[in-house]
Amino acid sequence: DSGVTQTPKHLITATGQRVTLRCSPRSGDLSVYWYQQSLDQGLQFLIQYYNGEERAKGNILERFSAQQFPDLHSELNLSSLELGDSALYFCASSVATGPNSGANVLTFGAGSRLTVL
Amino acid sequence: LAKTTQPISMDSYEGQEVNITCSHNNIATNDYITWYQQFPSQGPRFIIQGYKTKVTNEVASLFIPADRKSSTLSLPRVSLSDTAVYYCLVGDIQAGTALIFGKGTTLSVSS
Repeated sequence: DSGVTQTPKHLITATGQRVTLRCSPRSGDLSVYWYQQSLDQGLQFLIQYYNGEERAKGNILERFSAQQFPDLHSELNLSSLELGDSALYFCASSVATGPNSGANVLTFGAGSRLTVL
Repeated sequence: LAKTTQPISMDSYEGQEVNITCSHNNIATNDYITWYQQFPSQGPRFIIQGYKTKVTNEVASLFIPADRKSSTLSLPRVSLSDTAVYYCLVGDIQAGTALIFGKGTTLSVSS
C-alpha cells in the first residue's frame, strides 16, 4: 500500500456520460498529480495541484477538469466520455516542500481503470 | 514535451547486470533525476534518485556524469521479476512545472 488511495478501482460507463475519480494523497503530501495511461501507452501528464491551487497543466482535454479540496483530496471529472477515454488514471502525490524539495519523488496510487463502452 | 530519451526496449537474462541509459540534454540546474519501475496495471514505483555522481540503494545504482546530460540506471543480477517498464524522470518538483514522463524502457528478463 503506497498510501495514495484512488477510488473507484474499476469503472465501466457509456459514451457521453460523466464520471468522477477520487484521490486521497499520502499523509503529509500537499501536491497531487493526475496521469492518464492508455493501453500500451506511456504516462500522460494531465494536471497538478499544490495545496488547493492548480500548479501545472498538461494536455488535459477541456472535457476533463480537476480540483483539490481543503482536506487535500482531489477529484478528476471526466465528461462527455468517448471510447478513447478508456484508460488507467493514476494519481500521485508528493510533499513538494521543505529541504531538498526539488527532489521529485512521486508516490503513485493503484489507479482507476475506466472503460467506456 | 518529454525531456528525456531512453531505449524503447532491452532484453536480458537472469543474473546479468542491466544498464539503462537516459539522455536529458536540457536538464536544468535544479532538476533531479528519478527512476521509476512500473508493472502492468500498477502505478509506477520509485526506484532511485540522484542529482550528481553516483547513488546506490538496496535495489539499484544511479550513475550521473559531471555534465548531468545523461544518467544510467544499473540493476545488478536481474531476475524474472525485474521485467517491467523503467522510466527516467527529470524535473524540479518545486518549480511548478509539469513532471512529464518519457516513453520508458521495457526490460524483458528471460531464464
